[in-house]
This record gives sequence, C-alpha cells and structure tokens, in this order.
Amino acid sequence: ETGVTQTPRHLVMGMTNKKSLKCEQHLGHNAMYWYKQSAKKPLELMFVYSLEERVENNSVPSRFSPECPNSSHLFLHLHTLQPEDSALYLCASSQDWRLIAGYTFGSGTRLTVV
Amino acid sequence: SQQGEEDPQALSIQEGENATMNCSYKTSINNLQWYRQNSGRGLVHLILIRSNEREKHSGRLRVTLDTSKKSSSLLITASRAADTASYFCATAHLTMIKAAGNKLTFGGGTRVLVKP
Repeated sequence: ETGVTQTPRHLVMGMTNKKSLKCEQHLGHNAMYWYKQSAKKPLELMFVYSLEERVENNSVPSRFSPECPNSSHLFLHLHTLQPEDSALYLCASSQDWRLIAGYTFGSGTRLTVV
Repeated sequence: SQQGEEDPQALSIQEGENATMNCSYKTSINNLQWYRQNSGRGLVHLILIRSNEREKHSGRLRVTLDTSKKSSSLLITASRAADTASYFCATAHLTMIKAAGNKLTFGGGTRVLVKP
C-alpha cells in the first residue's frame, strides 16, 4: 500500500453505463491528479486538483467528470464512454502543486469499455 | 513539449549486471524524477534530481543530470530479478507561482527484464 487507494481495481462497463472511480489518500497531501495510461502511449495527465480546486483540465472529453469533495478524496465519474477509453486510470497525490517532491500513485483502475 | 523520451525502449540483462537507461527532454526543467512501474500497477517514485544537481544516489540507483544536453540517466547496479519493471522519467517545469500550468510530464518508459 502506497497510501493512495483506488477502487475498484478492475471495471468492465458498457458504453451506456455510468460508473465512478474513487481515489483516497490520507497522506496530508494537498494536490491530487488523474492520469490515463493506454497501451504504448505515455501517461496522459487528465485533471489536477489543488486544495480541492480544479486547476487543470487537459482537454479531456466531457464524458469524464472529476470531483474533489475534500483534499483526501477524488472521483472520476464516467458516462457514455467509448472503447478507446479502455485504459489504466491512475490517481496520484503530492504534497502540493510545487512539484518539489515525488508523486504517490495508487495501484490504478483497469477499465474496459465494451 | 516537456515530455521526456527514454532510451532504450526495452532492455534485457542477466541478474547481477548493471542496467542503464537514458532520458532526454526538450525545454528547461526545475527537476527530473524517475519512477518504476511493475506490470499493471501504479508508479513508484524512485528519485528526484534538481536542475542544479548533477548526480544523486539512492541505494543501488544512480541518477545523473546534464542540463546542457537536456538529458538524464538512471543506472541500476547489481540488478535483481525483482528490478524487472518499466522505468519512467518525468520532467517538472514550474511556469508560474500558482498551481495552474505546473505539470509533471512522463515519457514512454523503458521496459527492463532482469533474467535470473
């Protein structure tokens, strides 16, 4: 356990389904991130939250909707996804937005869209 | 783009040998970080080297940074089967003194296989 917990570990959903990914950290970190990792592609930053405020939306389609109710929890709400959205979704946290220390990653949610 | 590019893409070595991988990037950075990822899992932070540092050690890991060449290398000495993983460099570039625009950007990774 790294201190960042992601649930579920695996998720299979149809294109018309609505599901949510959850990320939780109790490290006292103030910044949280969603990354997408697809096969044979570098990690893609999706969203950045600093002190519960979204500070970065990296041109992500609206079918992905993040939510950060407090500094310990981060959600990614999914609806009407496409098969190409199948990937490993990684949550990470850091002390703050200044990037002076490393990120702590969760184990990821392996998402398959059918 | 701040994206780091790792070289080689894949590396196969025998246990006990050293593994070296390189990372190149395009613009100035504040720091560069190396991460390890075991298959299908999250990334684990290994080491961070600041732009004013040239070399850093952590256990069997040695990282160098050459800002004039915009490149870094990660050396794993006396490799073990448990070192089998993908290794990523990530560049940190702070554009302003607020959160927006500050990103950690990852390269495509080097897959390392350590054979027993």
